[in-house]
Amino acid sequence: SQQGEEDPQALSIQEGENATMNCSYKTSINNLQWYRQNSGRGLVHLILIRSNEREKHSGRLRVTLDTSKKSSSLLITASRAADTASYFCATGGGDSSYKLIFGSGTRLLVRP
Amino acid sequence: DTEVTQTPKHLVMGMTNKKSLKCEQHMGHRAMYWYKQKAKKPPELMFVYSYEKLSINESVPSRFSPECPNSSLLNLHLHALQPEDSALYLCASSQDWAGDSYEQYFGPGTRLTVT
Repeated sequence: SQQGEEDPQALSIQEGENATMNCSYKTSINNLQWYRQNSGRGLVHLILIRSNEREKHSGRLRVTLDTSKKSSSLLITASRAADTASYFCATGGGDSSYKLIFGSGTRLLVRP
Repeated sequence: DTEVTQTPKHLVMGMTNKKSLKCEQHMGHRAMYWYKQKAKKPPELMFVYSYEKLSINESVPSRFSPECPNSSLLNLHLHALQPEDSALYLCASSQDWAGDSYEQYFGPGTRLTVT
């Protein structure tokens, strides 16, 4: 079962624009993570945000977490063609606290 | 070394074949995972090994048999697979096993096709 649902499913933007992806989850969490996956390859961890944090930055990435709404967002600023990938949020929680469950993912296309 | 390696990159096998997927990490991580990923879907957990012991089997059919020979290696033995088992198989590791508390490092995956 999926813990997280992501929105939008697909996003196409021009290089230089910002990209925002949203993740909603169902149960209480300890942490929420974001991963990137280039086509047909392994996932790369981007950022982990703890349940007591509201915002976290890493380079061009900004992640927010609203535990009252059970939602998180990933903002990529000044996007580049190399950012083209699928992005997944992931969290444990509830009956599945022992494992990481990935959201449905957002496929981002950055056009040069 | 923060790399997880997987071999082979691609594998085509018939339904009567026996094959194995291999995964290796040298980060001293104590938890290792197998995931299955179908096209345009998120990875789904199959198995978790913690301190070389099988800790979680997500009700995976017995035609998939995991093995952890030592703390750095993880194998997935395949036998009598079905065409619907065709997928990308991902190995991952983390410092320890605790749900969402540790980041996971993924290998590049093995693209498996069952004919």
